[in-house]
Amino acid sequence: IQLTQSPSLLSASVGDRVTLSCKGSQNINNYLAWYQQKLGEAPKLLIYNTNSLQTGIPSRFSGSGSGTDYTLTISSLQPEDVATYFCYQYNNGWTFGGGTKLELK
Amino acid sequence: EVQLVESGGGLVQPGRSLKLSCVASGFTFSNYGMNWIRQAPGKGLEWVAYISSGSSYIYYAETVKGRFTISRDNAKNTLYLQMTSLRSEDTALYYCARQRYNTLWGQGVMVTVSS
Repeated sequence: IQLTQSPSLLSASVGDRVTLSCKGSQNINNYLAWYQQKLGEAPKLLIYNTNSLQTGIPSRFSGSGSGTDYTLTISSLQPEDVATYFCYQYNNGWTFGGGTKLELK
Repeated sequence: EVQLVESGGGLVQPGRSLKLSCVASGFTFSNYGMNWIRQAPGKGLEWVAYISSGSSYIYYAETVKGRFTISRDNAKNTLYLQMTSLRSEDTALYYCARQRYNTLWGQGVMVTVSS
């Protein structure tokens, strides 16, 4: 399964509602996770099974989707959210999307 | 502290071998499947290999199949990645991660394949 993330680069302002997209080449059956990777750090799990928030992750992060189309939403962008975000499917093999780099406008 | 710590990376010539280790602490290692994931400099993430908790199920990315071997020693709380016939395109930061959907990551270990 191939994953396509869009956009590849997103500029937004503090307080904005931000939506990142991840589209699979086949049905992912909700086995979809999202990670945040800040510069020089290991990735961190934000969301698993499409919409389950990992322990300790702020509630402004949420996930949704079904079938081949999935979304990560940040309800109110904070400066510390500047990072690259990767989606990942574990339904059929294991695959990462190419990433969306989120920067402040 | 719950953590994963990788080691064993370095500079190696093309065609040579290297073995990475990942030591787990703070949780029951034997209860979890584990992944190796890599990231080439300035690039995205690539899943490399998976091993189930009891080593019954093992899977590899096509890019490393036949060259890399994942294994684990639950008595030592350690995950391994034996890499052979290394190529320049294997140059990357290698992470170990816990569970199918990577709930916990190590800090990564750098492997550079160059003559």
